[in-house]
Amino acid sequence: DIQMTQSPSSLSASVGDRVTITCQASQDISNYLNWYQQKPGKAPKLLIYDASNLETGVPSRFSGSGSGTDFTFTISSLQPEDIATYYCQQYDNLFTFGPGTKVDIK
Amino acid sequence: QLQLQESGPGLVKPSETLSLTCTVSGGSISSSSYYWGWIRQPPGKGLEWIGSIYYSGSTYYNPSLKSRVTISVDTSKNQFSLKLSSVTAADTAVYYCATLIAARLNYFDYWGQGTLVTVSS
Repeated sequence: DIQMTQSPSSLSASVGDRVTITCQASQDISNYLNWYQQKPGKAPKLLIYDASNLETGVPSRFSGSGSGTDFTFTISSLQPEDIATYYCQQYDNLFTFGPGTKVDIK
Repeated sequence: QLQLQESGPGLVKPSETLSLTCTVSGGSISSSSYYWGWIRQPPGKGLEWIGSIYYSGSTYYNPSLKSRVTISVDTSKNQFSLKLSSVTAADTAVYYCATLIAARLNYFDYWGQGTLVTVSS
């Protein structure tokens, strides 16, 4: 099984701040990684696929990078509507989600 | 634009079988474009993929749940279903149905709104 870890588990930042979340896989998954946003009471929404590709319609302040075992998700300028929990997900071997990172406004 | 809607009992007794259905609209479940699957989320916790099925019946299951899970497709009703046997309180969760791109089996793009299933006597 491929295990996914994320850090931090939660963070508070000010509007306009740059926010970075990291995701680590327990083994090399190439670029087989996606990022989702989940707002309270809602289903997750795909933001980034294949580690760095922005899903259609997703604002350009969201970005992703990395390959192998280490990945980064960035919000370049945090907006109030970005308050959510963010999950990474690998698909190199079936499908596993990371534990999530909760993002709040300071 | 695909739309998915989960339905089923919100309360299941321990040791019984949880049964949910996902109704697909805006497209055909016989489409070669998608696998159809289930993902769950215990209250306040993270996401766990349960399994996915192609319209032909080909399935992938989470190894940790495989012995208790059956996913099936009903093309005549444009629906697919989840059965999880021998449930315990640990199976209490919001259950989502979601699509998976068949050509690459990579990301979940369309999701239902989710349905909470509580396991309790």
